[in-house]
Amino acid sequence: QQQVKQSPQSLIVQKGGISIINCAYENTAFDYFPWYQQFPGKGPALLIAIRPDVSEKKEGRFTISFNKSAKQFSLHIMDSQPGDSATYFCAARGPGKLIFGQGTTLQVKP
Amino acid sequence: GAVVSQHPSRVICKSGTSVKIECRSLDFQATTMFWYRQFPKKSLMLMATSNEGSKATYEQGVEKDKFLINHASLTLSTLTVTSAHPEDSSFYICSAHPTGVKNIQYFGAGTRLSVL
Repeated sequence: QQQVKQSPQSLIVQKGGISIINCAYENTAFDYFPWYQQFPGKGPALLIAIRPDVSEKKEGRFTISFNKSAKQFSLHIMDSQPGDSATYFCAARGPGKLIFGQGTTLQVKP
Repeated sequence: GAVVSQHPSRVICKSGTSVKIECRSLDFQATTMFWYRQFPKKSLMLMATSNEGSKATYEQGVEKDKFLINHASLTLSTLTVTSAHPEDSSFYICSAHPTGVKNIQYFGAGTRLSVL
């Protein structure tokens, strides 16, 4: 119940394309859903986050879509750029801590 | 933006020695800090929650006597890996939760520990 399942494990997208990463959760007590971006050898950096009472949040090229009834949420990266190549983690906040998904390695080809 | 400084960024040590990793919040106070461990191409696994002025809360399966956590001030938490062994080699990451701010965690840049 504490798990957050993330897919795909890896993703290759052409420059200018849309990258889509999906996450699913079981615990309805989760109340905050952030996405983190991590470059090799660095710590994760908060990219965008959403609360379960909102169905969509957009910040620049990054959009979170949230489906509360399906207990799923996804990250869309529009106009993907080579600089977006990184590992992306979804997360869900449970009591006192964040539960991370397994991560998605994104490669954007020029 | 808020900065969390983690030091050292990389450490190589001999088996049996102890290694201390520092996590500092530079421009905010953090009553709560978190320590994670990350294996190559894997997710972040929460090891423990560090609370200023009290004992850390360890996740199931994490040896508290091996991974000593001290949160002596509102801006500093330390993780000491005692009697390190090669299997302790990993990427350790801390994060800090600004006091009074809901939801936010700022992450350090991580420490690469290699035990020979």
